[in-house]
Amino acid sequence: DTGVSQDPRHKITKRGQNVTFRCDPISEHNRLYWYRQTLGQGPEFLTYFQNEAQLEKSRLLSDRFSAERPKGSFSTLEIQRTEQGDSAMYLCASRPWDFPLYNEQFFGPGTRLTVL
Amino acid sequence: AQSVTQLDSQVPVFEEAPVELRCNYSSSVSVYLFWYVQYPNQGLQLLLKYLSGSTLVKGINGFEAEFNKSQTSFHLRKPSVHISDTAEYFCAVIEKTSYDKVIFGPGTSLSVIP
Repeated sequence: DTGVSQDPRHKITKRGQNVTFRCDPISEHNRLYWYRQTLGQGPEFLTYFQNEAQLEKSRLLSDRFSAERPKGSFSTLEIQRTEQGDSAMYLCASRPWDFPLYNEQFFGPGTRLTVL
Repeated sequence: AQSVTQLDSQVPVFEEAPVELRCNYSSSVSVYLFWYVQYPNQGLQLLLKYLSGSTLVKGINGFEAEFNKSQTSFHLRKPSVHISDTAEYFCAVIEKTSYDKVIFGPGTSLSVIP
């Protein structure tokens, strides 16, 4: 399977703990995105990368959140000192950037975080 | 600021009946439009997209949608639904000035009743 993969698929943690999620995009997709989806809502944009450069961060991404894409391939999203409000599905997406053509984003299965 | 409205949060429909899921958007610039489907505990799958050209677009699984610029709508339709269509459906837009930040609607839960 050559789609977007995310690991883990589920994570249960206690409030105050740190968690890290991983996303492996489709090979050769140079743009990578993170979204957060809370129960009953549509996904909300968090941040995105062009290769290893983080180009934009949403105001939803508080100081406790950090995302990296060190070699321009996989990405990690870390949440420090988790709070119950962080409980959500975290989705990763990727697409090839081929300006001016537009290519849609392909989404992974998500990581469901539950903070107790 | 751009936004997407899906007025129907839940839509129950009998199997083999037609269905329409409504989507309206607001934006000060031109947009691309999308419909995604999300099955339980899965990621988002693209159903169809409108980038340009014909305002009637056809997607996977027999779905189609029509872009109406004057009404800023992009309603999704299927003439005959199946049990397997039970899922959450999200309308989404992306401004042509950014190409990156997809704005999703709150979703419509489609339940197909046997």
